[in-house]
Amino acid sequence: SQKIEQNSEALNIQEGKTATLTCNYTNYSPAYLQWYRQDPGRGPVFLLLIRENEKEKRKERLKVTFDTTLKQSLFHITASQPADSATYLCALEMNTGFQKLVFGTGTRLLVSP
Amino acid sequence: DTGVSQNPRHKITKRGQNVTFRCDPISEHNRLYWYRQTLGQGPEFLTYFQNEAQLEKSRLLSDRFSAERPKGSFSTLEIQRTEQGDSAMYLCASTNGGGKYFGPGTRLTVT
Repeated sequence: SQKIEQNSEALNIQEGKTATLTCNYTNYSPAYLQWYRQDPGRGPVFLLLIRENEKEKRKERLKVTFDTTLKQSLFHITASQPADSATYLCALEMNTGFQKLVFGTGTRLLVSP
Repeated sequence: DTGVSQNPRHKITKRGQNVTFRCDPISEHNRLYWYRQTLGQGPEFLTYFQNEAQLEKSRLLSDRFSAERPKGSFSTLEIQRTEQGDSAMYLCASTNGGGKYFGPGTRLTVT
């Protein structure tokens, strides 16, 4: 069966450390992988997109890796801040022409001062 | 550009009633999506419009659900004969490619 797995347990880290979130998928062949941030009661906010032929993408303090052999993406936030506390969603985009996203359940990140 | 807007933000309705939600996408975006999200889950795809054409519908979208996007601008999502299982956050997103821009969502509670 098709699955997208993200850590269901919250990730607690101290301010200044690097947060690493994992997204694993099974029985999908995504053309792209996207990461979103979601705060309680609000819609997801787009952060980064990485293509299947890209290994790594960076944007400011964010870094995403994409390994299509392992079927895994890692999402890193360096020098984390309490304001980074949120739920982070991994989403797969299929090469169907409709750009439909299939989301994981998200991982909650808590950054303590 | 004020981003994607959705109205209402909250809706409480009794089982069996009909409800309609509106989404105003970012004006230059030709692609519009509806998703549904329940607590602790990621958003689930419901339907997709390219301009005014509805090009894909999820199997989650039962006959009680209908969506329109007249003139390729705003979109509406109607749920007829609501059931308690319809309680969720309904999210609209738009894009011209790449990342999607989501609205704040409409939270539906069916009592």
